[in-house]
Amino acid sequence: QSVLTQPPSASGTPGQGVTISCSDSRSNVGNDYIFWYQHLPGTAPKLLIYRNSQRPSGVPDRFSGSKSGTSASLAISGLRSEDEADYYCAAWDDRLRIWVFGGGTKLTVL
Amino acid sequence: QDHLEESGGGVVQSGGSLRLSCAASGFTFSSYGMHWVRQGPGKGLEWVALIWADGSRRDYADSVRGRFTISRDNSKDTLYLQLNSLRPEDTGIYYCVKEVRYLAGFDVWGQGTMVSVSS
Repeated sequence: QSVLTQPPSASGTPGQGVTISCSDSRSNVGNDYIFWYQHLPGTAPKLLIYRNSQRPSGVPDRFSGSKSGTSASLAISGLRSEDEADYYCAAWDDRLRIWVFGGGTKLTVL
Repeated sequence: QDHLEESGGGVVQSGGSLRLSCAASGFTFSSYGMHWVRQGPGKGLEWVALIWADGSRRDYADSVRGRFTISRDNSKDTLYLQLNSLRPEDTGIYYCVKEVRYLAGFDVWGQGTMVSVSS
């Protein structure tokens, strides 16, 4: 069981918005950064959000990240069929010196 | 264009060994920390190991520490993962991953190489 907890599934219709949560069960992680990755089956994962809310160049502004305390969220607006994928949050645990991934959320665009 | 290409995956019996390689191109390999991340069948992403740009530090997930060894040859722009004492739960796709910089995420991923461990 990961220390980063995500809902196993989420869904929305084209044009709608959806939010995926990531809850961090570790203590003293208020200042830790959360990262978000998109993984389409059969392809390599893609970095969507780094350091809680920063978007790499080339990532549409439909994707946004936020963090408050031990909870983080990925918001996707204007859903498109190509957004159907698995989404993972991740964080670096500086005490254990390991990266941890959430269990992943499968987004379905209805 | 930044590119990573893994090789070396295959089918091996429990207790066996494999050596994965990852050839990097399109960027200055020796300037970046590198990682291995895996995904078991029907499972999520799992971080495996990291190595600093100069190779001076390595860290491992608890599940592989003592059995896997990450290394790199900056003269050959190649990352390695030696997998020993393999277990069926090590089965999965192994991705070679480049980090943007310290705590800025993983921006380049290879297509992965499949490791299958039979019991």
